[in-house]
Amino acid sequence: DTGVSQDPRHKITKRGQNVTFRCDPISEHNRLYWYRQTLGQGPEFLTYFQNEAQLEKSRLLSDRFSAERPKGSFSTLEIQRTEQGDSAMYLCASSRAGNGAETQYFGPGTRLLVL
Amino acid sequence: DAKTTQPNSMESNEEEPVHLPCNHSTISGTDYIHWYRQLPSQGPEYVIHGLTSNVNNRMASLAIAEDRKSSTLILHRATLRDAAVYYCILREANTGNQFYFGTGTSLTVIP
Repeated sequence: DTGVSQDPRHKITKRGQNVTFRCDPISEHNRLYWYRQTLGQGPEFLTYFQNEAQLEKSRLLSDRFSAERPKGSFSTLEIQRTEQGDSAMYLCASSRAGNGAETQYFGPGTRLLVL
Repeated sequence: DAKTTQPNSMESNEEEPVHLPCNHSTISGTDYIHWYRQLPSQGPEYVIHGLTSNVNNRMASLAIAEDRKSSTLILHRATLRDAAVYYCILREANTGNQFYFGTGTSLTVIP
């Protein structure tokens, strides 16, 4: 168990550019979650996958955001035409499917700064 | 998921017990109570969870009120490494969706 990893850890980009983040979950976990966290706030849910299927998306996930999880392994989160309001920490988590008692394991996050 | 209410901040002296409260008056019968903490510049970390009975693990204890409308996370001896934001979260059984984190309680440990 090597934990959840995210890449890159930091990203600085100019407004209007596209960015892509990667998350590698714990290998036997079939659920993968993306959250966004701004300064002073708790993480906010963006979307989640069970295996390769994207089962839920938050209203926070505008049309500029897209997430994929090909083959049910790693996941990518892409933000197109970034805006300054997209500056945040993007967190990935994974878990086994369960009955509400399962633990989510979080990665270290990718900190995005849009100039 | 039902919502939780926590104090914004608390302080504790090092090596003393800490009781972090959480109110969840709209909890349903199938909601699990989870606690996570987040150290500065890190992702959230699991602490403990329970349904109805009190729970203990190596990190903490969770005391759940009989009516389940509140719970308390107990750190038995606070250390400087316990300084973090603590989140109390309700998670409905048989759903695959997100945790609702809220703003949590920022714990300061005083040496």
